[in-house]
Amino acid sequence: EVQLVQSGAEVKKPGESLKISCKGSGYSFTSYWIGWVRQMPGKGLEWMGIIYPGDSDTRYSPSFQGQVTISADKSISTAYLQWSSLKASDTAMYYCARLAAGTKGGFDIWGQGTMVTVSS
Amino acid sequence: DIQMTQSPSSLSASVGDRVTITCQASQDISNYLNWYQQKPGKAPKLLIYDASNLETGVPSRFSGSGSGTDFTFTISSLQPEDIATYYCQQYDNLLPVYTFGQGTKLEIK
Repeated sequence: EVQLVQSGAEVKKPGESLKISCKGSGYSFTSYWIGWVRQMPGKGLEWMGIIYPGDSDTRYSPSFQGQVTISADKSISTAYLQWSSLKASDTAMYYCARLAAGTKGGFDIWGQGTMVTVSS
Repeated sequence: DIQMTQSPSSLSASVGDRVTITCQASQDISNYLNWYQQKPGKAPKLLIYDASNLETGVPSRFSGSGSGTDFTFTISSLQPEDIATYYCQQYDNLLPVYTFGQGTKLEIK
């Protein structure tokens, strides 16, 4: 079964660092781009960035450039999203998603989401 | 940047109704347009890709059409399990950037 499994919910304080993960299985992890999407409480979907695990080519949304870092470890089929200094406004659900082959920018497989809560 | 305008933001319809959601791009995006369904507490699910292609396993009551700047998503006969929020999403391959519409919350009347 093709799937993306994300790490569990996190509760952090402002200023703390965090790295969440997204592990792919059931397909060639290095052959598909993996994107990250933010959903703030009660709000819509926002694309943050995307990485190609095969060579770690990474692109960021202008809105998130410099705010987060996307990386991948192809040896363990895992992509990461990290913050160096969290803010309360980073409280959100974060999804990873696989960019589908043969489509024009569609994300066909999604992780279950990681809820990040930042509160003092 | 390409802006996406999705409407309506919410919609109430009866079981069996035909439901239509529209998405308008601020410039020509050809058919670089996808549609997702998100049920409460769940991850989004790809329903339609490249404006009009039905993702494998998705019921045929869902369809999409359009190209250029104007796109339509249709549920031909609304079912109770279709209650969800629906999003359009465009892909700008030059940057690249993936932009979601604001979403349409669909409720049963």
